[in-house]
Amino acid sequence: EADIYQTPRYLVIGTGKKITLECSQTMGHDKMYWYQQDPGMELHLIHYSYGVNSTEKGDLSSESTVSRIRTEHFPLTLESARPSHTSQYLCASSTSGANVLTFGAGSRLTVL
Amino acid sequence: GENVEQHPSTLSVQEGDSAVIKCTYSDSASNYFPWYKQELGKGPQLIIDIRSNVGEKKDQRIAVTLNKTAKHFSLHITETQPEDSAVYFCAASDHDYKLSFGAGTTVTVRA
Repeated sequence: EADIYQTPRYLVIGTGKKITLECSQTMGHDKMYWYQQDPGMELHLIHYSYGVNSTEKGDLSSESTVSRIRTEHFPLTLESARPSHTSQYLCASSTSGANVLTFGAGSRLTVL
Repeated sequence: GENVEQHPSTLSVQEGDSAVIKCTYSDSASNYFPWYKQELGKGPQLIIDIRSNVGEKKDQRIAVTLNKTAKHFSLHITETQPEDSAVYFCAASDHDYKLSFGAGTTVTVRA
């Protein structure tokens, strides 16, 4: 049973469009993360949040933005998508004081 | 920051044989080392983890070993089965709990 949900699973859009990738978790976890994963490469942390109204940029620079208005919700937004944004985006969460991550199934974004 | 290297990038084994994946890390302060398994079309899932105060941990057919002096850790899968085919990621956690991942190993178990 998935406790962390990502939508859409697949998205194909044109250059310049604004997109939002949704991520919700039902476990009450304080910490949430967004990772970018390209084929054959490691997961790169692009954003994380340790609680409501807390967001930080990760190790990999990204033009996306995130918000954390509610504990269970951590959406990622791209204001103007470009082909270089084509990738898989994975959302994850964990409890405070622990770093055991629970991942969503991912959102695969293709920008034409 | 932490740098994790993982080898090999691909691994093909005969069903029933063992598979070993090795990782090295750079930050001596890292103290948590999980392994994740990612099946096609799914997100990574934690399969086993080890903390720096332990040298080895087993869970049925999988085991992880840690050598803090050499800064490397390994995943061992015995009696491999077709359902073990997946991408496996190692990771290390630095002082602020963020995980740094290796590049992944694609394991294929041949029937």
